[in-house]
Amino acid sequence: GIQVEQSPPDLILQEGANSTLRCNFSDSVNNLQWFHQNPWGQLINLFYIPSGTKQNGRLSATTVATERYSLLYISSSQTTDSGVYFCAVGVYGQNFVFGPGTRLSVLP
Amino acid sequence: KAGVTQTPRYLIKTRGQQVTLSCSPISGHRSVSWYQQTPGQGLQFLFEYFSETQRNKGNFPGRFSGRQFSNSRSEMNVSTLELGDSALYLCASNLAGGIYEQYFGPGTRLTVT
Repeated sequence: GIQVEQSPPDLILQEGANSTLRCNFSDSVNNLQWFHQNPWGQLINLFYIPSGTKQNGRLSATTVATERYSLLYISSSQTTDSGVYFCAVGVYGQNFVFGPGTRLSVLP
Repeated sequence: KAGVTQTPRYLIKTRGQQVTLSCSPISGHRSVSWYQQTPGQGLQFLFEYFSETQRNKGNFPGRFSGRQFSNSRSEMNVSTLELGDSALYLCASNLAGGIYEQYFGPGTRLTVT
């Protein structure tokens, strides 16, 4: 089956810093989502982005499907951005497969 | 529009018992998927239900089962609980099944002692 890798596994930032999280996948995919899991376990939708670039406030994402990767950019990070960021990829006829996540800690 | 709801939020069970978890999808969504999240294995797909039919199943033993009702609400059942079943169980709903955009509930945290 499809393999999903995320890097870095852990990231510690000072408040106000910018960061880039990466998601690599082993085969062509039809869909891709980014999620933020807060400390209480809730998975929050960030982007549904099978290809191209999207922006939502301080966050933006780019998926280059032909090169099998997606990037999540966080600018001017805040302590509330702390948590685990997951990408999930999907192929038609199959279920979504999640990456192992990037744990982000934003320090005040 | 109300989000995905899951009940109960927390549960403590003893080895050998069985448990039933419930998930109500977003109104109008016909697909419900279940996932198990553990520190060692990450987020793993259990199964998906669409219009009361199981469409897809992950690699879990037969002790894990589910069903979906005509109102799209779904339940999952785990029989003969083992210590390793301790996990956060998440359900996700989407409009049309498969790999359309998923929306997750808050999860049920199950502890097996």
